[in-house]
Amino acid sequence: DGGITQSPKYLFRKEGQNVTLSCEQNLNHDAMYWYRQDPGQGLRLIYYSQIVNDFQKGDIAEGYSVSREKKESFPLTVTSAQKNPTAFYLCASSIKTARNQPQHFGDGTRLSIL
Amino acid sequence: SQKIEQNSEALNIQEGKTATLTCNYTNYSPAYLQWYRQDPGRGPVFLLLIRENEKEKRKERLKVTFDTTLKQSLFHITASQPADSATYLCALPPNDYKLSFGAGTTVTVRA
Repeated sequence: DGGITQSPKYLFRKEGQNVTLSCEQNLNHDAMYWYRQDPGQGLRLIYYSQIVNDFQKGDIAEGYSVSREKKESFPLTVTSAQKNPTAFYLCASSIKTARNQPQHFGDGTRLSIL
Repeated sequence: SQKIEQNSEALNIQEGKTATLTCNYTNYSPAYLQWYRQDPGRGPVFLLLIRENEKEKRKERLKVTFDTTLKQSLFHITASQPADSATYLCALPPNDYKLSFGAGTTVTVRA
């Protein structure tokens, strides 16, 4: 079955620690995205990638970093510079970046501060 | 600034009735609008996409309208069932590269 796998489901971060969230897709999609979801707010775009070895900042990239070394993988690192990291993180993919492309989402990683 | 607003109140309806959700937007000129369903603790699932030149689109018991003059989309769930209970998100593309999402409306269908 094709889809997006995010791991871990729950993650805890200590002060000053960087943590990496995994996102893998087997849909053969070119475009991948990372969003952050906070209660009562819409999804906010952190980073997106249109193709392998390319990625662009979204609306709230500060304190985060990504890489796109393989088509199927788009890991997100939450660095210690992100002062309010507690949120639900969602990874998504689409065939390509275009206005008429639906996005397919994973089931998220919930990050909390210890 | 660009804004997407969905019904701020949660919607509680009786099984069998029609749920109507609203998505209003400002400072966008979208050629497309999408609706997603999100269950607690899960990622959103794509439901429907409607183009600006389509007034209405249907999928099973779902119906979406798109009025670019009013800058509004309505999402209807007809003959609602308890399994329809979820949060529904509307999304617009501000450019070719991303989607902007509303905060969602939570629907609870009572048996």
